[in-house]
Amino acid sequence: DAKTTQPNSMESNEEEPVHLPCNHSTISGTDYIHWYRQLPSQGPEYVIHGLTSNVNNRMASLAIAEDRKSSTLILHRATLRDAAVYYCILSRSSSNTGKLIFGQGTTLQVKP
Amino acid sequence: EPEVTQTPSHQVTQMGQEVILRCVPISNHLYFYWYRQILGQKVEFLVSFYNNEISEKSEIFDDQFSVERPDGSNFTLKIRSTKLEDSAMYFCASSELWGTDTQYFGPGTRLTVL
Repeated sequence: DAKTTQPNSMESNEEEPVHLPCNHSTISGTDYIHWYRQLPSQGPEYVIHGLTSNVNNRMASLAIAEDRKSSTLILHRATLRDAAVYYCILSRSSSNTGKLIFGQGTTLQVKP
Repeated sequence: EPEVTQTPSHQVTQMGQEVILRCVPISNHLYFYWYRQILGQKVEFLVSFYNNEISEKSEIFDDQFSVERPDGSNFTLKIRSTKLEDSAMYFCASSELWGTDTQYFGPGTRLTVL
């Protein structure tokens, strides 16, 4: 399974954009990049995913490097509710099990 | 919005006892998963399940663990003889498709083994 590397923690001010980086230098051509987050005392929650092109949804944007060896999750205006652990996870499209391998993730602190 | 539900929210049991954790996945989903998270540690994959069969299981998922879909709505995780180290949050998840499809997680069951 290809691995991802994320900073342990980041801080942001409320209502400012947040850029959460993820390195995945051993990514293969069939690996999708997923982001999940885990709010305190809750189960993981899907945020966004992509393969090659940048993606936007109501929660966030995902910017994927041209060589796909890194990606950045962008929260356009952080709120206090966005304080969570953010996980960058690779999943293979050829996989028939859907197993998600969680790392330690990035703990995002949002200051008022 | 449809969601995955889990019961109970907290289960306390004595070491050696059997526990069954219950999950109701999203109704049109076909793929089901269990994960666990020991306090302060990573979320760990336990097992994936499709078409009434285990698709993949981790090293953690030994003979003490079993999963079942007893009817059209429930998905259960049974631990036959609990150990102290089984104390953790257990999360159920489901997805419509396999592979890279989005997984929707339940709120978890906190299992405490005394």
